[in-house]
Amino acid sequence: NAGVTQTPKFQVLKTGQSMTLQCAQDMNHEYMSWYRQDPGMGLRLIHYSVGAGITDQGEVPNGYNVSRSTTEDFPLRLLSAAPSQTSVYFCASSYGPPATEKNIQYFGAGTRLSVL
Amino acid sequence: GNSVTQMEGPVTLSEEAFLTINCTYTATGYPSLFWYVQYPGEGLQLLLKATKADDKGSNKGFEATYRKETTSFHLEKGSVQVSDSAVYFCALSDRLSGGYQKVTFGTGTKLQVIP
Repeated sequence: NAGVTQTPKFQVLKTGQSMTLQCAQDMNHEYMSWYRQDPGMGLRLIHYSVGAGITDQGEVPNGYNVSRSTTEDFPLRLLSAAPSQTSVYFCASSYGPPATEKNIQYFGAGTRLSVL
Repeated sequence: GNSVTQMEGPVTLSEEAFLTINCTYTATGYPSLFWYVQYPGEGLQLLLKATKADDKGSNKGFEATYRKETTSFHLEKGSVQVSDSAVYFCALSDRLSGGYQKVTFGTGTKLQVIP
């Protein structure tokens, strides 16, 4: 079972470049989320989606865009990369709201991004 | 919003030692509590959870009890193995201002078990 697949695993960008982090899940989950993980700060929610065509902002959305055209895919776009966006990015999915009792959140292996 | 505070690492233990990783929370109402584990090079995995006071979550020899009176959810294991080396995150349910139910994570505690 593939679960949640993220690509690429590593990426180096120059300031001002754009790129898309890919996330795909094969579990038919409605809920998907993007997090960033920074030292000493835990995981912070960037954007989330509750189904195809429905996305919304999390805690730290500035500088990132998302879309959800299919249930399976939830790409994260950096329009103009900045050094402050150097981080490890995780995509996650769940059948229902991730904080509720019966909905386990599954994570991808992450994308390590460096912006120079 | 809700928040969790967990002990800083790294924690280094010898194999078969007893493990405790402390976690306390601040929350309105009665959140669900979680422990996630992140093995090297992998994403987070749910280790265990508890949804109401006095519940005990358990999995793979790890346990944690939801203590409302002390607002704590400490992770314990009686005998750690080298394969338990990972980063452990305490987390709780929370809501964004718009009402979306999300998970708020602690900063993580790195555990290293030496043979």
